[in-house]
This record gives sequence, structure tokens and C-alpha cells, in this order.
Amino acid sequence: AQKITQTQPGMFVQEKEAVTLDCTYDTSDPSYGLFWYKQPSSGEMIFLIYQGSYDQQNATEGRYSLNFQKARKSANLVISASQLGDSAMYFCAMREGNRDDKIIFGKGTRLHILP
Amino acid sequence: GAGVSQTPSNKVTEKGKYVELRCDPISGHTALYWYRQSLGQGPEFLIYFQGTGAADDSGLPNDRFFAVRPEGSVSTLKIQRTERGDSAVYLCASSLGLYGPQHFGDGTRLSIL
Repeated sequence: AQKITQTQPGMFVQEKEAVTLDCTYDTSDPSYGLFWYKQPSSGEMIFLIYQGSYDQQNATEGRYSLNFQKARKSANLVISASQLGDSAMYFCAMREGNRDDKIIFGKGTRLHILP
Repeated sequence: GAGVSQTPSNKVTEKGKYVELRCDPISGHTALYWYRQSLGQGPEFLIYFQGTGAADDSGLPNDRFFAVRPEGSVSTLKIQRTERGDSAVYLCASSLGLYGPQHFGDGTRLSIL
């Protein structure tokens, strides 16, 4: 079974609108961390936001917020006021356990921001 | 800059050759990771170092792949007898430790002809 599922292979959104990228995860470990990364066409992986499984509040970083619904095992990324520069691949990822270990990536969602 | 540095950025070689890919992590980061990203896919884990030792090499696809980190800083991923299926972008990441995000380099695009 897939550990990280991103059901939207591609999305088109009008500039300035908010966008939600879906991510569900699967783990039996009570301690885990969730990440979102952005990968522009240039290829670099850019860390956006992190949510720990024990964090009480949803993580926010500027225009990015993570809608963490633990019971549903959902960790959707919300980008407010989208910009043309937000066009990229977005990967949801998870690290299991309370340790410094590998992270498992989803297949990604390609986001296109339309002018 | 102070980010993760990977060299070369591109490598083209013939099937059967040996290649080495280098990763220079962020100074002070003890954890170092190698991932492989095929076209249209997310990165797949290969190997993780904590200090000089490989703490988890469960993602290495076969014994043609090997990685070292002799002094706990720079790491080299080595691929012997390359095959066309090895063509991918090889990403290196480093992190400070527990709870910290992994910071990625720009990757090495490996093409096997």
C-alpha cells in the first residue's frame, strides 16, 4: 500500500486564487512528520512546511498552511493568493517514527497558475 | 552558498561504465541522504548516513550501487556497470537531526547511453 497518496496529478488555478493540494498518508506509527516540498522546472527541491504528528496547531509559513486532519490521515497544503511563480510540482512526504530517518514521497501534483 | 552542493550537475556516460556522484552537505548537518528521482515520479530513498556510517541502505536497488561518507561530511554515490535503467536525477539531502527538514541539493542528472 502506498504510504503517501496525492490524487491530483495536475491542477490549473487562476492567479490570486487560493489552492488546496490533497495528501493522505498511511502509517501505524504514532510519531511521524509530514512535509511539503516544491520542485520548479529547474529541478531543485524546496522545503515549504512541516507538521509533526503531535503538533496541536496547523503549521503555517507565509502563504502556505497545512490543513492537518489526523483522524482522516490527511495533510493538505493550502496556498493562499496564488502567484505565477507557484507553478511547479508539489510533493507531500512523510517521515515515520521519532528519528532522523528517510522520508517517503508521494507522486506529486503539478500545479499550473494561470494569468 | 551554504546549501547542499552536488557535482557534477549532469553526467552522460555509456552503459557499462563506472560513475561517481558527489554530495557536499550543509556544514554541521550530521545526517545525509541519497534519493533517486525518475521522470514524473517523486524521489525514492536510496541510503541514509548518520555521521560516517550508513544507518539505512535499504533503498539501494542492487549491489552495483554503493555510497561512502568517510569523514562524516562529503559523500560519494558510486554506481558500477551502469545500465540504461540507472538514468535518473540523483538527489542528495542533509539535515540537522531530529525533527528537522531535509534540505536538498540541485541533483545530478545521470544519463546512460
